[in-house]
Amino acid sequence: KNEVEQSPQNLTAQEGEFITINCSYSVGISALHWLQQHPGGGIVSLFMLSSGKKKHGRLIATINIQEKHSSLHITASHPRDSAVYICALDNYGQNFVFGPGTRLSVLP
Amino acid sequence: SQTIHQWPATLVQPVGSPLSLECTVEGTSNPNLYWYRQAAGRGLQLLFYSVGIGQISSEVPQNLSASRPQDRQFILSSKKLLLSDSGFYLCAWSPTRQRGPTDTQYFGPGTRLTVL
Repeated sequence: KNEVEQSPQNLTAQEGEFITINCSYSVGISALHWLQQHPGGGIVSLFMLSSGKKKHGRLIATINIQEKHSSLHITASHPRDSAVYICALDNYGQNFVFGPGTRLSVLP
Repeated sequence: SQTIHQWPATLVQPVGSPLSLECTVEGTSNPNLYWYRQAAGRGLQLLFYSVGIGQISSEVPQNLSASRPQDRQFILSSKKLLLSDSGFYLCAWSPTRQRGPTDTQYFGPGTRLTVL
């Protein structure tokens, strides 16, 4: 079993839809990161979570440490949100494990 | 403000040739530095991280090495490239960690390496 899994693997949505991407993991962590990788390859760090919930614009990230699960939500999705979203596990920087990514396409 | 630079942006090299990728960070001191690789169709993999000059930790055995000759400079090298070294290489930095969870990592623009 992989240490970190994401679902769905691919997601196509219509502009304006509410989107949820899930991340489940099986190991202890100090934090979880959500990353956004654009088609050209560039990566932007969206959130770092160790508990609870964070919000930035139309993006919301939640984490449940007991259930070892995190979700990334996008409200009022837009074509520019099209990217690969990656969840990454962090154990004090000693062991950074990446999920396989979720490829999101938002159609106009 | 802090910025991170990587070069070159793209590179095509023959098998067996040497490699040197450079990453520099501006606007911060004593950052933690990281090298990642993303092979085609695969996820990101942490290759090396450094908490200070001359301090390098390797995450996976491989054909590559890393060095940190200056506080804000991180170099990824190989003496002889393999076909399997092809991929997208990303450098990242994070603020010096005192205790507690690692801070957010900030990624460079990446280098796309093709080994032929």
